[in-house]
Amino acid sequence: AQSVDQPDAHVTLSEGASLELRCSYSYSAAPYLFWYVQYPGQSLQFLLKYITGDTVVKGTKGFEAEFRKSNSSFNLKKSPAHWSDSAKYFCALEAYQGGSAKLIFGEGTKLTVSS
Amino acid sequence: NAGVIQTPRHKVTGKGQEATLWCEPISGHSAVFWYRQTIVQGLEFLTYFRNQAPIDDSGMPKERFSAQMPNQSHSTLKIQSTQPQDSAVYLCASSFGGGGAETLYFGSGTRLTVL
Repeated sequence: AQSVDQPDAHVTLSEGASLELRCSYSYSAAPYLFWYVQYPGQSLQFLLKYITGDTVVKGTKGFEAEFRKSNSSFNLKKSPAHWSDSAKYFCALEAYQGGSAKLIFGEGTKLTVSS
Repeated sequence: NAGVIQTPRHKVTGKGQEATLWCEPISGHSAVFWYRQTIVQGLEFLTYFRNQAPIDDSGMPKERFSAQMPNQSHSTLKIQSTQPQDSAVYLCASSFGGGGAETLYFGSGTRLTVL
């Protein structure tokens, strides 16, 4: 079965701290993995994606993510965090089956960065 | 580039009424996706089109939901006999080709409220 798990529904930290949002996936083939962000009152915006190659991918807004095949994870990182990073973050897996390529999203992690 | 345009932004219907949601993808994008976002269920895939052809409607509730893409510039999602459980934010997204590992660009969504 294809699935994405974001085990932390809420993460709170202080401005200047390092942030790491956890994501694990289940997929039988080589995964394409994504992170999207949703600011309050806004729609989803693309942050970064992993296709192949380097296991650390860099994205917009100073974010990066590390792909670890050994434990099926794709954690999002940023240091230092800024109050403007407060948002909901979604990890997604592209599930390919029978000609269909669609994104399956995790439940999301709401990040609060206090100034 | 105006991005993905969804109309209306908000729609309120009475139970049993019909609702039609509109999506205009980014010009030049050939794939259009529909998702539904609720607090309880998170982001659920509904359906998608590539080059106006339906590719995958595995997430669509079969009886009352239908989607069409009559031309490359717009797609519609129609819900017949709306029920309170249909209340959600319906998100439309487009991508360049819909073939794999492509970035989805999301619209601002239509918030449907069924009374």
